[in-house]
Amino acid sequence: GAGVSQSPSNKVTEKGKDVELRCDPISGHTALYWYRQRLGQGLEFLIYFQGNSAPDKSGLPSDRFSAERTGESVSTLTIQRTQQEDSAVYLCASSLDNLGASEAFFGQGTRLTVV
Amino acid sequence: SQQGEEDPQALSIQEGENATMNCSYKTSINNLQWYRQNSGRGLVHLILIRSNEREKHSGRLRVTLDTSKKSSSLLITASRAADTASYFCATGVNTGFQKLVFGTGTRLLVSP
Repeated sequence: GAGVSQSPSNKVTEKGKDVELRCDPISGHTALYWYRQRLGQGLEFLIYFQGNSAPDKSGLPSDRFSAERTGESVSTLTIQRTQQEDSAVYLCASSLDNLGASEAFFGQGTRLTVV
Repeated sequence: SQQGEEDPQALSIQEGENATMNCSYKTSINNLQWYRQNSGRGLVHLILIRSNEREKHSGRLRVTLDTSKKSSSLLITASRAADTASYFCATGVNTGFQKLVFGTGTRLLVSP
């Protein structure tokens, strides 16, 4: 596609519910990143994929968070039993590769609000 | 924890003035990138400087990198109100694969 697409753009959920956030990267980009950004804060690294593999999951805040990528394309970030502290903007980015220092292209993010 | 920290956290200037933002990082890097964010949503890539480069220019942007001090600076010359945004540095850290780690950001306000 023309750019990185994330859906939904906004999500309001009740505490304790599960949510799925979707990211469609730019076609052909092998590297895909998920970040979390709380209001007024910097970007917190969550996980990245090289192809369908996730070499580094160290940023996932708890076992309630998981992510997968299929077909070296779409990725979903799942948050189970959401808590109020999960409220943030979740940003996805893709790059041509993560070996050659390529720039990352970002989606517009999903704003998650847990009430 | 964040790899990079930007300084200052916030910067307020008048149109036409230059804006300088600094970034410090902790570990060795392959490259350093600067991004801009408007309104707390998607980020836009501005410039990438490799670890063996010392200075790079792109339009009104000038980036320097000092690997001995583990620091970088972003200079925006002749600033415009449209430059108002948050600016982040991101370091490419090689952990087997390269991970892109962001700093805390500088909020720039350019007043007309």
